[in-house]
Amino acid sequence: GAVVSQHPSRVICKSGTSVKIECRSLDFQATTMFWYRQFPKKSLMLMATSNEGSKATYEQGVEKDKFLINHASLTLSTLTVTSAHPEDSSFYICSARAAGTYTYNEQFFGPGTRLTVL
Amino acid sequence: GDSVTQMEGPVTLSEEAFLTINCTYTATGYPSLFWYVQYPGEGLQLLLKATKADDKGSNKGFEATYRKETTSFHLEKGSVQVSDSAVYFCAPAGGTSYGKLTFGQGTILTVHP
Repeated sequence: GAVVSQHPSRVICKSGTSVKIECRSLDFQATTMFWYRQFPKKSLMLMATSNEGSKATYEQGVEKDKFLINHASLTLSTLTVTSAHPEDSSFYICSARAAGTYTYNEQFFGPGTRLTVL
Repeated sequence: GDSVTQMEGPVTLSEEAFLTINCTYTATGYPSLFWYVQYPGEGLQLLLKATKADDKGSNKGFEATYRKETTSFHLEKGSVQVSDSAVYFCAPAGGTSYGKLTFGQGTILTVHP
């Protein structure tokens, strides 16, 4: 159980276009989802926290107008990178947290999406 | 806020060697503690966890004990395998961070046959 999927796994786009990344919890309901960014050989940087049905909370320094997050249901959150530029190229990872039977605060991670902006 | 200091890498070992990756944290309250592993090109997988002082988390031969008095959660394995080559992240969650995970910088482990 506790599987999180991401789609697409890899995406290449042209500079100036927008890209949407989906994060789904497949076998549990995710009250909270998190979006991270990981640079090569670096740790994960939390970008934002989203709770189902409410606005996302962004970490300091993350542009909310550039990284649009929608958490419309208990199993789906989306991250849209708007007007992407080469510096947005990165590995984006989502995670989901479930209440109930799982250890409180435990997050389950998706496999990641490699974004390359040309 | 919470913070984590992980042992600097990369760590290179021969197969069957003993592994220790140190992790210390600062957090107020009573955080849960996690070790995550990331294999090349993949997302993170939970390796083990501990939710209160003196708990020992274990999985796949790896162990870590929640030491509140030293605010540490060191990862150990008695005999590493080539398949253990990956990046390991220590992460507390909770305390004052409202459930957010705070990741260490990651330790790259390479195991040679």
